[in-house]
Amino acid sequence: DAGVIQSPRHEVTEMGQEVTLRCKPISGHNSLFWYRQTMMRGLELLIYFNNNVPIDDSGMPEDRFSAKMPNASFSTLKIQPSEPRDSAVYFCASTSGDRQNTEAFFGQGTRLTVV
Amino acid sequence: GNSVTQMEGPVTLSEEAFLTINCTYTATGYPSLFWYVQYPGEGLQLLLKATKADDKGSNKGFEATYRKETTSFHLEKGSVQVSDSAVYFCALKDSGYSTLTFGKGTMLLVSP
Repeated sequence: DAGVIQSPRHEVTEMGQEVTLRCKPISGHNSLFWYRQTMMRGLELLIYFNNNVPIDDSGMPEDRFSAKMPNASFSTLKIQPSEPRDSAVYFCASTSGDRQNTEAFFGQGTRLTVV
Repeated sequence: GNSVTQMEGPVTLSEEAFLTINCTYTATGYPSLFWYVQYPGEGLQLLLKATKADDKGSNKGFEATYRKETTSFHLEKGSVQVSDSAVYFCALKDSGYSTLTFGKGTMLLVSP
């Protein structure tokens, strides 16, 4: 398996523009997570899905952020409009979430820079 | 709520030195515990895990023992290498459908 695949790896955009990050989870995994990593706040959980349904989006910072999972093999995280403080590395992770001892598998991340 | 506390870094060591990175947790249930490693420019990858009290997880020379009485899961390695330089995250998961709760991460720098 190729693992969790994220695209793009790097994104540079201007303030006010829409940004869409993409994630393909590992085949057969039924839980998907979006995390944001910054030096100041470390790893923050933004949202997670189970069987394509959003379960907890309390970590989404504000209405500018939205996430979708239209099917089991694809998810997007959208920021509209983007702001410089959104600059961070965004990770997607997936797991077969039906047992406590199952680990999450992470993608390589998307480094977002908003100028 | 759940939380994980790790020692702050960076931890700076010479090659072949002994490593300890402390991790303590607070959980409402009886969690599984994990150590993840993040190499520069990469995502997190599982290093080891333990699912019940007194279990020892081990991988690549790293070890950690699940201590319920002290709510700890300290990471150790007897002899570090330059290639071990990375950020290490302690995490817990306390039920099947819950998310992982991560510590803030500890950067390890190993010099030749």
